[in-house]
Amino acid sequence: GAGVSQSPRYKVAKRGQDVALRCDPISGHVSLFWYQQALGQGPEFLTYFQNEAQLDKSGLPSDRFFAERPEGSVSTLKIQRTQQEDSAVYLCASSATSGGPQETQYFGPGTRLLVL
Amino acid sequence: GDSVTQMEGPVTLSEEAFLTINCTYTATGYPSLFWYVQYPGEGLQLLLKATKADDKGSNKGFEATYRKETTSFHLEKGSVQVSDSAVYFCALETGRRALTFGSGTRLQVQP
Repeated sequence: GAGVSQSPRYKVAKRGQDVALRCDPISGHVSLFWYQQALGQGPEFLTYFQNEAQLDKSGLPSDRFFAERPEGSVSTLKIQRTQQEDSAVYLCASSATSGGPQETQYFGPGTRLLVL
Repeated sequence: GDSVTQMEGPVTLSEEAFLTINCTYTATGYPSLFWYVQYPGEGLQLLLKATKADDKGSNKGFEATYRKETTSFHLEKGSVQVSDSAVYFCALETGRRALTFGSGTRLQVQP
């Protein structure tokens, strides 16, 4: 596809359920990022992959959050035992190489998670 | 830690008015600075960026200048259009790849 895609676009979960959010980056992009955006706030960094290696997971809020990118392309963000405070939009972004600030991050449309 | 502060919105302007959205930052080292825009129903898009002091980023009539002395990166446009209505996010990056965003400023342009 031409851009970053995410699925599902909307997810409603009951408190305590596990959820899995998928990100398909732009084909060939080396770097992949996950961000969490609470209502009315800016996105906050969760984790970063370079190919299949998770190089930074400092933003994951608890051990209930887990991300993987086993083949260096598609990534899944899993949230176990969801809590109401997990309700947010989860954004995925990718960039072409591992090169830093010269490089543009391309964002997907996000998955809106509502935990009841 | 790194942080970005933006003026609160919404900012409501009439078409063809001058726009300024203030952004200041706190960061270790020398960050790169960005403005992202989120149009209704769409994902975040990079609007412009500047990677060193005194650089000016520009795109679609928008401009922002990296001011190290005032730690600012204010967004300006000389004449806004209704189609500019969106949420604007200021962000920085300090070498760890992750972006640090401000809380966003909603712009509403009325005909």
